[in-house]
Amino acid sequence: DTAVSQTPKYLVTQMGNDKSIKCEQNLGHDTMYWYKQDSKKFLKIMFSYNNKELIINETVPNRFSPKSPDKAHLNLHINSLELGDSAVYFCASSQKTAEAFFGQGTRLTVV
Amino acid sequence: SQKIEQNSEALNIQEGKTATLTCNYTNYSPAYLQWYRQDPGRGPVFLLLIRENEKEKRKERLKVTFDTTLKQSLFHITASQPADSATYLCALDGPGYSSASKIIFGSGTRLSIRP
Repeated sequence: DTAVSQTPKYLVTQMGNDKSIKCEQNLGHDTMYWYKQDSKKFLKIMFSYNNKELIINETVPNRFSPKSPDKAHLNLHINSLELGDSAVYFCASSQKTAEAFFGQGTRLTVV
Repeated sequence: SQKIEQNSEALNIQEGKTATLTCNYTNYSPAYLQWYRQDPGRGPVFLLLIRENEKEKRKERLKVTFDTTLKQSLFHITASQPADSATYLCALDGPGYSSASKIIFGSGTRLSIRP
């Protein structure tokens, strides 16, 4: 059983397009996150949701819109994709112990 | 703002030796500190968590220390093996929010164990 699963694993798209990445966790965790890992491998938090509510938005452009239909799902929609959006995007979840479980990542390439 | 530094971008050691990785932080007093392992093409995997009132924690060949005065954590892998080669990330609970709502990561140390 996969604890945190995100789809797709790879995404290649043209500049200006709109795309979505989906994430689901079956761990019963209250908190879910989106992280961006750039080419230098730095893992930067983008959003944090707790029980479907947005808790943290780390100065991410408003072209990025997360949506949490329930506490097991956190999707990321990106409008008007730019070259600089190319990165690996990780979904994660955690509970109060704070140990985070990560998905396998979505490698987004904007051409 | 809070800052986490892992002061070695890469570390290369001989198999069987102890690998020691360092994590320093500033402008913040976290409730706990975590270490993760990341292999190429994979997501980070949790290894150990240590709380602010704990000095040391061990798990098999891994040992973590947490010095809140120095604002530093050391991560040790004893009897290192080539399979330990990976990037190791230090992480803290972020300030100003409930502890489970923000986990911030250092830039990582790429560890290579040569046979």
